[in-house]
Amino acid sequence: SSEVTQDPAVSVALGQTVEITCRGDSLRRHYASWYQQKPGQAPLVVVYGKNSRPSGIPDRFSGSGSGNTASLTITGAQAEDEADYYCLSRDNRNFYVLFGGGTKLTVL
Amino acid sequence: QVQLQESGPGLVKPSETLSLTCSVTDASVSSDYWSWIRQPPGKGLEWIAYISYSGSTDYNPSLESRVTISLDTSKNHFSLILSSVTAADTAVYYCARRVWDTSGEPYFDSWGQGTLVTVSS
Repeated sequence: SSEVTQDPAVSVALGQTVEITCRGDSLRRHYASWYQQKPGQAPLVVVYGKNSRPSGIPDRFSGSGSGNTASLTITGAQAEDEADYYCLSRDNRNFYVLFGGGTKLTVL
Repeated sequence: QVQLQESGPGLVKPSETLSLTCSVTDASVSSDYWSWIRQPPGKGLEWIAYISYSGSTDYNPSLESRVTISLDTSKNHFSLILSSVTAADTAVYYCARRVWDTSGEPYFDSWGQGTLVTVSS
């Protein structure tokens, strides 16, 4: 079966831009969605589809994709963005979904 | 705003069966698609199963032989059963609603707060 992989950890200076990536064959055909998870909380979708944000998610969060890679970009990272981020992709099967292993974002 | 709430025992003995329920408020389980997702302590997210409003289901192949997901429209909730549990099934279990964007890609737009299930004798 397919899998999607993420770098375990990424850091960014306060106010700078950071890109979190997700790689997998399924991403050549499908858009990823991205989830933010803070300690002790349930995940929260921040980006989905081609590049859509749910109501209430700041516009500093954006999504993109190229080839087998999907990216979540945070433009002007804030202290409150420090969290774990997970990508989700659809597998070749219609309803099977895959989470990436997660990326821990540290805002310095 | 859809609300989901997991409930069930917090402790299950090895080899026994884990049973959880997700109660849904401000939405009907007779519409949309509903899923279970879990997260072992300190680890990442793992999708377990989904069920549609019509009762069709799909399971993570790694768990399929031990998992059943079901819908109870009269109580507006859905449930998870995981049999023959081991310590590796210790995790926070989340229920979530699965929706699709305009391009047909799925995502989870609403989540329960999660419930920790520990497998231990």
